[in-house]
Amino acid sequence: DTAVSQTPKYLVTQMGNDKSIKCEQNLGHDTMYWYKQDSKKFLKIMFSYNNKELIINETVPNRFSPKSPDKAHLNLHINSLELGDSAVYFCASSPTRTGGVYTFGSGTRLTVV
Amino acid sequence: EDKVVQSPLSLVVHEGDTVTLNCSYEVTNFRSLLWYKQEKKAPTFLFMLTSSGIEKKSGRLSSILDKKELFSILNITATQTGDSAVYLCAAGAGSYQLTFGKGTKLSVIP
Repeated sequence: DTAVSQTPKYLVTQMGNDKSIKCEQNLGHDTMYWYKQDSKKFLKIMFSYNNKELIINETVPNRFSPKSPDKAHLNLHINSLELGDSAVYFCASSPTRTGGVYTFGSGTRLTVV
Repeated sequence: EDKVVQSPLSLVVHEGDTVTLNCSYEVTNFRSLLWYKQEKKAPTFLFMLTSSGIEKKSGRLSSILDKKELFSILNITATQTGDSAVYLCAAGAGSYQLTFGKGTKLSVIP
C-alpha cells in the first residue's frame, strides 16, 4: 500500500502550458504539503493545507495553485509554465497541523522545455 | 525567517569510517527536529527529536538534540556503501511546515 502517491512521476511539457500534479494519501493525516526541490536538492515549502485552511509561502508565484477536493487529496495546478519551474515536486502529509513525522510521496520530476 | 543550516554540504568517506553530520537551526516556536535520508526518490524518515540530550538510535545511526545551542548531530558508525545518500535535517516550528536545510551529501566508497 502506497502511503503518499503522486502522479505523474515524470512530466515534460512546453513553456506556457498548464499542468496538474495529483497527490493522494491513505494515512488519515490531517495536513498535506507541497514542496519544491531544486537541482541542488534544496527542499522548499510551497503550500500547506489543513481542514480547508491554506498557508501559502509568499515566494510562490500565483501561477501555482493547490486544490483539495477532500482531506486525502491535494493537487497542484500550474499555469503558464516557465523554464524555471523545472524541478522535482514532492507531496507530503503529516498527522496533525503541529507537525509530527512527515511522509513524502516519491516526487514528480517536471521538465519545462 | 526560519533557517536550518547543515554542514558539511558534502562528505566522502571510506567504508567503515564514522561520520558526524551537523545541523543548526533558528526557528520561531521550535517543536521538533527531524532527520531524513534521501536516495533517489522520496526522503525517508530517520529520527524525530523533541527533547534535549536524549540520544535516539537505530542500528548504526544515532542522533541527539541540543535545544540550548540550537543544534543536532547525526552519527553513522561503520559506514557502508548503502549509507550513500543526501541527509536532510528539518525543523518543525509554530507554523505547520518543516523548514529543511540544504542537506549533506554523503558518499561512502569501498
